[in-house]
Amino acid sequence: AQSVTQLDSHVSVSEGTPVLLRCNYSSSYSPSLFWYVQHPNKGLQLLLKYTSAATLVKGINGFEAEFKKSETSFHLTKPSAHMSDAAEYFCVVSDKRTGGFKTIFGAGTRLFVKA
Amino acid sequence: DVKVTQSSRYLVKRTGEKVFLECVQDMDHENMFWYRQDPGLGLRLIYFSYDVKMKEKGDIPEGYSVSREKKERFSLILESASTNQTSMYLCASQSDGYTFGSGTRLTVV
Repeated sequence: AQSVTQLDSHVSVSEGTPVLLRCNYSSSYSPSLFWYVQHPNKGLQLLLKYTSAATLVKGINGFEAEFKKSETSFHLTKPSAHMSDAAEYFCVVSDKRTGGFKTIFGAGTRLFVKA
Repeated sequence: DVKVTQSSRYLVKRTGEKVFLECVQDMDHENMFWYRQDPGLGLRLIYFSYDVKMKEKGDIPEGYSVSREKKERFSLILESASTNQTSMYLCASQSDGYTFGSGTRLTVV
């Protein structure tokens, strides 16, 4: 069975400080993992994805995530937050063996960035 | 630039009305999805389609139906709108990862 847990519903950082958004997953198969960002009243935009290649994945806007199989984690990081990073972030696990149809979205983490 | 376009950003409909939400993608993707997004509940899958005229129920199909007559278009239908269907509706198509539309915020009064 698949599941995805975003460990924090809200994260608040100051501009210029590092960002860490935590995600743990479980999957019976080899999962594909994604992070999406959603700005207010907008659709979801793909930040980055892991599909069994390099475990450290670089995405857009300076974000990256590391796939750690032993810890079943896929945490999202950024060295220095910018005001424009304030948004909601979703961790997503997708079961590759079923062609991606079995896809689970995390509940989301809202990131606040203080000036 | 690849696109998923939802025809309406905001809609207000009356209880009992039949509502059509339209979604068009220009990427020639076979797989398309409809989700609703509600505070505290995240994204929940309503229906998906993996080919023209094919559809599969997601996790919360009750009160909804879909239509996929052409590959690029996937429509969500609320047969008789109710107030508990007030929500943000997101359409997506899929190849390697999802591409989402901008969403339709539907209010049923």
